[in-house]
Amino acid sequence: NAGVMQNPRHLVRRRGQEARLRCSPMKGHSHVYWYRQLPEEGLKFMVYLQKENIIDESGMPKERFSAEFPKEGPSILRIQQVVRGDSAAYFCASSPSAGHEQYFGPGTRLTVT
Amino acid sequence: QQQVKQSPQSLIVQKGGISIINCAYENTAFDYFPWYQQFPGKGPALLIAIRPDVSEKKEGRFTISFNKSAKQFSLHIMDSQPGDSATYFCAARRGNKLTFGTGTQLKVEL
Repeated sequence: NAGVMQNPRHLVRRRGQEARLRCSPMKGHSHVYWYRQLPEEGLKFMVYLQKENIIDESGMPKERFSAEFPKEGPSILRIQQVVRGDSAAYFCASSPSAGHEQYFGPGTRLTVT
Repeated sequence: QQQVKQSPQSLIVQKGGISIINCAYENTAFDYFPWYQQFPGKGPALLIAIRPDVSEKKEGRFTISFNKSAKQFSLHIMDSQPGDSATYFCAARRGNKLTFGTGTQLKVEL
């Protein structure tokens, strides 16, 4: 039973480029959460999605960041026009239903040069 | 605003000793308090969790103590082992959103 999968594991982008991070939830899970971890800090909630719906995006920066979880395929976190401050580890978690345990993927480490 | 405060930032314990990590929260709407263990380059893994109607939960060498009136909870690792060396995060959940502490780097020395 595969866990939460994220790719790429490492991503390097120059300032101004776009970053696309992908997350495939555990089998049977239809709820996805994205968190960001800055160096030496805890994880910060960004967005919570169900299939085709954004449920809570209260942690998402207002500009440049967007997320989707289409009917088919992985959830995507998209960062446009990246800046150095976007450098962080981005973790995806999934759960089978609301209020259930969240299981985390290995993360994508984004470096903006 | 830091809603979950965690201490200490780092901790060194001798093998066989007890590791204790403390967390305090502000929002009484939190209804679930998990602890996560994270190794370098890996995602957080759920270790143990507690609900606020319980004062203590024990799973193997790991125990959570919960003080609802003080809005504090702690993780105790008994008989600490070098393999326990990792970063530990407390968290608190409201709805579907987890709020994490800033983490404790634990090192267990031989």
